[in-house]
Amino acid sequence: LAKTTQPISMDSYEGQEVNITCSHNNIATNDYITWYQQFPSQGPRFIIQGYKTKVTNEVASLFIPADRKSSTLSLPRVSLSDTAVYYCLVGDPGYSSASKIIFGSGTRLSIRP
Amino acid sequence: DVKVTQSSRYLVKRTGEKVFLECVQDMDHENMFWYRQDPGLGLRLIYFSYDVKMKEKGDIPEGYSVSREKKERFSLILESASTNQTSMYLCASSLGRDRAYQPQHFGDGTRLSIL
Repeated sequence: LAKTTQPISMDSYEGQEVNITCSHNNIATNDYITWYQQFPSQGPRFIIQGYKTKVTNEVASLFIPADRKSSTLSLPRVSLSDTAVYYCLVGDPGYSSASKIIFGSGTRLSIRP
Repeated sequence: DVKVTQSSRYLVKRTGEKVFLECVQDMDHENMFWYRQDPGLGLRLIYFSYDVKMKEKGDIPEGYSVSREKKERFSLILESASTNQTSMYLCASSLGRDRAYQPQHFGDGTRLSIL
């Protein structure tokens, strides 16, 4: 199982770019990297998923180096509403191992005015 | 949009009671999950189902069972509730069968208190 390590917490200010790095040294060939965002009293919400290089969508970018042993979630120009817990997951989304995808404790991001 | 609906947002039960938590998804997803979330421990998988009547144990199945009689509904059962099962319970669903791009979609959780 690919265990992930992320910082417990991070602070930033509105308008800044925030980068959250996740380490996953034991990532397997079939594993994808997925990031979720969770607000208080809500379930996690999918942000972005990637396998290698760079993936970008309307809310974030995901950078994955060639060795895939880490990944970085980049949030451009954060606002107060980006204050949340961010989870990095590594796993094979195929049905036979969907249960092996492990959520860690996440990174608590606090954005200040 | 996928909708995962959990039957209760808040629930208070007594020690020893049999407790049912219900979850329904409306996107014909094959996979369904039950997690519990506790401060400092993140989300821990209790049970997973990849088809009707099929289930797999997650990391912490002790004291729980599940039922999936219909594809859209996945129930978590606390056979005899104990105070250490006080927690936030989250249900999720995802596409199955070797779909490469299949994020999990979560409900908003049930905060269960066992007195």
